[in-house]
Amino acid sequence: GAVVSQHPSRVICKSGTSVKIECRSLDFQATTMFWYRQFPKKSLMLMATSNEGSKATYEQGVEKDKFLINHASLTLSTLTVTSAHPEDSSFYICSAVNSGGSSYEQYFGPGTRLTVT
Amino acid sequence: AQSVTQLDSHVSVSEGTPVLLRCNYSSSYSPSLFWYVQHPNKGLQLLLKYTSAATLVKGINGFEAEFKKSETSFHLTKPSAHMSDAAEYFCVVTSSWGRRALTFGSGTRLQVQP
Repeated sequence: GAVVSQHPSRVICKSGTSVKIECRSLDFQATTMFWYRQFPKKSLMLMATSNEGSKATYEQGVEKDKFLINHASLTLSTLTVTSAHPEDSSFYICSAVNSGGSSYEQYFGPGTRLTVT
Repeated sequence: AQSVTQLDSHVSVSEGTPVLLRCNYSSSYSPSLFWYVQHPNKGLQLLLKYTSAATLVKGINGFEAEFKKSETSFHLTKPSAHMSDAAEYFCVVTSSWGRRALTFGSGTRLQVQP
């Protein structure tokens, strides 16, 4: 149980285009999901908190107009990287909190590797 | 505010010897602490968690960690390293209040020599 999927697992796009990444909780409902970014050989940096039915909360320094987050259902959050540039190339990881489970445990997706050429 | 410091960016041990990965934390509220492992090209896997119950926490694959409030530490140990333990390990803290966002340490790369 407690499986989180991400799609796609890997994407290559051209500079200036937009890319959408999906995060799904497969066997539980998640009112809260988180989006992280991981640079090569670095730790995870929290980008934003995605709340079902309301606006996402962005961390300081993260451009909300560039990283659009939508959490339209209890099992799906999407991150859209708009007008992507090579510096947006990174590993993006989502996590989900089980609304009906422990308050502290987050379940992580396998990540999406984005390469912008 | 909360933060985590992993004291070693890289640890190398021989197979069969003990593993110690060090972590110190800072939190304004009662913290919950976790250790996650990330194998190359794999997702994050929870090893163990501390959430104000027993201070000695046992996790998967023979790992355990002890919460020491006086030292603000949560070091990860394993009595005998296995080749499959080679990976990146993250110490993580969250507070019992607020958005429950996780704060990750910088990571420790564990290398296991045959």
